[in-house]
Amino acid sequence: GQQLNQSPQSMFIQEGEDVSMNCTSSSIFNTWLWYKQDPGEGPVLLIALYKAGELTSNGRLTAQFGITRKDSFLNISASIPSDVGIYFCAGQRETSGSRLTFGEGTQLTVNP
Amino acid sequence: GAVVSQHPSRVICKSGTSVKIECRSLDFQATTMFWYRQFPKQSLMLMATSNEGSKATYEQGVEKDKFLINHASLTLSTLTVTSAHPEDSSFYICSARPGGRIGELFFGEGSRLTVL
Repeated sequence: GQQLNQSPQSMFIQEGEDVSMNCTSSSIFNTWLWYKQDPGEGPVLLIALYKAGELTSNGRLTAQFGITRKDSFLNISASIPSDVGIYFCAGQRETSGSRLTFGEGTQLTVNP
Repeated sequence: GAVVSQHPSRVICKSGTSVKIECRSLDFQATTMFWYRQFPKQSLMLMATSNEGSKATYEQGVEKDKFLINHASLTLSTLTVTSAHPEDSSFYICSARPGGRIGELFFGEGSRLTVL
């Protein structure tokens, strides 16, 4: 079953606002990944994090790998309508090969 | 990023028939691919790990005789849903990781299966 707690489950914001979502776990991960999924499509990789404390940006997106290695957050600045979608965090343990554990997802709605 | 492609994107079949879904890594070789299943408004659930040249590894609760996986080459894995039933209707997504790129998994577009 799922071992990553992702919050919030959904967000309704106005265009231009900033967004923050996070994932927490009771166990340690050595890699954190953030994906975005549009309806009827596969997830698209947004940001990959490999070191505790790492802060990485991709355009208006910024993600951080928590110091404890048990959490990560994703920020989206100055949201636009095309940011609408479901955002998933995913963690990978050193012992799991390339197998990922996914969070439950955050449904983002951006009102123009 | 690396490109993973699935075919077909949508398939409708009658109950009792078998359906094959292909997953290809277009610009890299993948010794390992992963098959996920996603129900509406839910997260992705790993079904099995496909290993090139050897048997697939199935997650607990996934019937290996129901979901046949073949990984005959370094760029192709297939998932066959045998004797499909309406409860098998779902969104099936494959993923793969380019060698040397630790952690990054790239996903295909997904295949929507509807069993009537």
